[in-house]
Amino acid sequence: RKEVEQDPGPFNVPEGATVAFNCTYSNSASQSFFWYRQDCRKEPKLLMSVYSSGNEDGRFTAQLNRASQYISLLIRDSKLSDSATYLCVVNGWYNNNDMRFGAGTRLTVKP
Amino acid sequence: EAGVTQFPSHSVIEKGQTVTLRCDPISGHDNLYWYRRVMGKEIKFLLHFVKESKQDESGMPNNRFLAERTGGTYSTLKVQPAELEDSGVYFCASSQTTSGKNIQYFGAGTRLSVL
Repeated sequence: RKEVEQDPGPFNVPEGATVAFNCTYSNSASQSFFWYRQDCRKEPKLLMSVYSSGNEDGRFTAQLNRASQYISLLIRDSKLSDSATYLCVVNGWYNNNDMRFGAGTRLTVKP
Repeated sequence: EAGVTQFPSHSVIEKGQTVTLRCDPISGHDNLYWYRRVMGKEIKFLLHFVKESKQDESGMPNNRFLAERTGGTYSTLKVQPAELEDSGVYFCASSQTTSGKNIQYFGAGTRLSVL
């Protein structure tokens, strides 16, 4: 089983659509969770941290289910500029600095 | 404020040659990390510095890879001699742990092609 598993996609959606990405992780001791966004040939950039209670930032909503070891990202009202690869990142695998990455989910938003 | 910068952005070398990658972290960040992404795979951890000390180098593939962070500022990652399987994108990240959260900021990466 992969340490952090994501559906690779690609997800091709029209503008304005709602799209959800899922991620599962194998280490129940993990502490912190993040979604990063990576544009083609660019660096990963932090999109949002994921908190136990779930959190929202504008059109983006992240959820964490520790019991199921499952993380999700919901994007509402998709924009063309949302096209990117979304990386699920889990921190605290063995220590606070040990980050594990999913392979990423590719999203393309079309006009 | 400058972000994490990496140099070069792209390097093409022949098998057996030596390459040195450089990373300048965000000023004031004690933590510096090296990661690698080979084609089609996820980003994988290589090693972690706290200031000038190697905190964790469990991800280094073999002894052909040598990382240094003299003076606790910039870091270099040397591959000697390079092999075909070393091709990939090498990312550097830095962070300053505050309130228990470790948010890492990434550089744009060095794309290494070993021919």
